[in-house]
Amino acid sequence: GDKVKQSPSALSLQEGTNSALRCNFSIAATTVQWFLQNPRGSLINLFYLVPGTKENGRLKSAFDSKESYSTLHIRDAQLEDSGTYFCAAERNMGYKLTFGTGTSLLVDP
Amino acid sequence: NTKITQSPRYLILGRANKSLECEQHLGHNAMYWYKQSAEKPPELMFLYNLKQLIRNETVPSRFIPECPDSSKLLLHISAVDPEDSAVYFCASSPDSFSGNTLYFGEGSRLIVV
Repeated sequence: GDKVKQSPSALSLQEGTNSALRCNFSIAATTVQWFLQNPRGSLINLFYLVPGTKENGRLKSAFDSKESYSTLHIRDAQLEDSGTYFCAAERNMGYKLTFGTGTSLLVDP
Repeated sequence: NTKITQSPRYLILGRANKSLECEQHLGHNAMYWYKQSAEKPPELMFLYNLKQLIRNETVPSRFIPECPDSSKLLLHISAVDPEDSAVYFCASSPDSFSGNTLYFGEGSRLIVV
């Protein structure tokens, strides 16, 4: 079965609103990374997380290893936030990231 | 992102041989090839650390990686198949051990006709 599930699979937001994306793991994740794949196809690293939280501008992410999930909060969504968001989890068995299936986000004016 | 450069950016092939190239200017020890098919997440193909191949996922034998030095990575593809149509991303991280942020290049889009 899917080891890293992301929800929702797709999301449409109005500019200026807030939202949360979620990643659930069926593996014992030790670290999590969040990426944005923009409409041009570039993969941009947003966060690298051990258990805890991080914030960067309008983005905030949390990782709870005991409950096996991670979240990405987007505040005051902008048009340039559109794209596909991937979370990727690492297990403590050698370095390999397991990617989730992604959340496709569209921000409308 | 000009710190990890890939070439060519676009490639249209029949059943021919071709090599993809990647160079990173981040001083990282680990370099990766990922394949991303349409509407799918990236999938790891190969991982090198300090020029040594340390991960080789289940990849057809027509894909042969090469790491001539720790900042350069090549992917040789022979007799491409239509299922090889995808974007191939090069990536790097400080090293291959646990706990390293992954950075991607811009990708090379391969279209097999």
